[in-house]
Amino acid sequence: EAQVTQNPRYLITVTGKKLTVTCSQNMNHEYMSWYRQDPGLGLRQIYYSMNVEVTDKGDVPEGYKVSRKEKRNFPLILESPSPNQTSLYFCASSLFSVRGGTNNEQFFGPGTRLTVL
Amino acid sequence: AQKITQTQPGMFVQEKEAVTLDCTYDTSDPSYGLFWYKQPSSGEMIFLIYQGSYDQQNATEGRYSLNFQKARKSANLVISASQLGDSAMYFCAMREGRDNYGQNFVFGPGTRLSVLP
Repeated sequence: EAQVTQNPRYLITVTGKKLTVTCSQNMNHEYMSWYRQDPGLGLRQIYYSMNVEVTDKGDVPEGYKVSRKEKRNFPLILESPSPNQTSLYFCASSLFSVRGGTNNEQFFGPGTRLTVL
Repeated sequence: AQKITQTQPGMFVQEKEAVTLDCTYDTSDPSYGLFWYKQPSSGEMIFLIYQGSYDQQNATEGRYSLNFQKARKSANLVISASQLGDSAMYFCAMREGRDNYGQNFVFGPGTRLSVLP
């Protein structure tokens, strides 16, 4: 089954304790992305990756890190989480065309609800 | 500047009636794609429909259709014959194409639709 998986689905942690949220896709997609969803703001892009070893900042990258060492995995790292990073996080993937294909829908993971105390 | 505007934070519709969810967008890129996603209370993101900037006809997918008015930069979602299961959050999103190879994927703040029995 084609899917994007995220782990963990729920996480409660404390300020400053490093954490990693994993994301994996089995569709051989080049493009992967992380979003956070907050009430009234929709989804905001944190980081994205157009292929292995190619990552770039989205709209709200502060406090986050990512890596793309393999095509299927795109972990999100919070080195020193703070309460304002309490949010619902989504990983997504899609095909990517260097000629600017815009019809490649993003497939989303189930989301990770993070609470930072 | 807000690239995707959804002016209706919440909407109500009677079961079996049609409803239109508004979306306006802002881009200077001639190549872009517009997407609608549904997020039920369970939290997952479900792709509904896509419209490309060069598409001549409005997109349709079952009970969903997209009223695309390019000159007005609007991409309203029309749901015909509403069902109770349509109650959810709906997000309009845009992927810009040529100038940045489709790497920007921007979401609106969403509209919460409630279908009344």
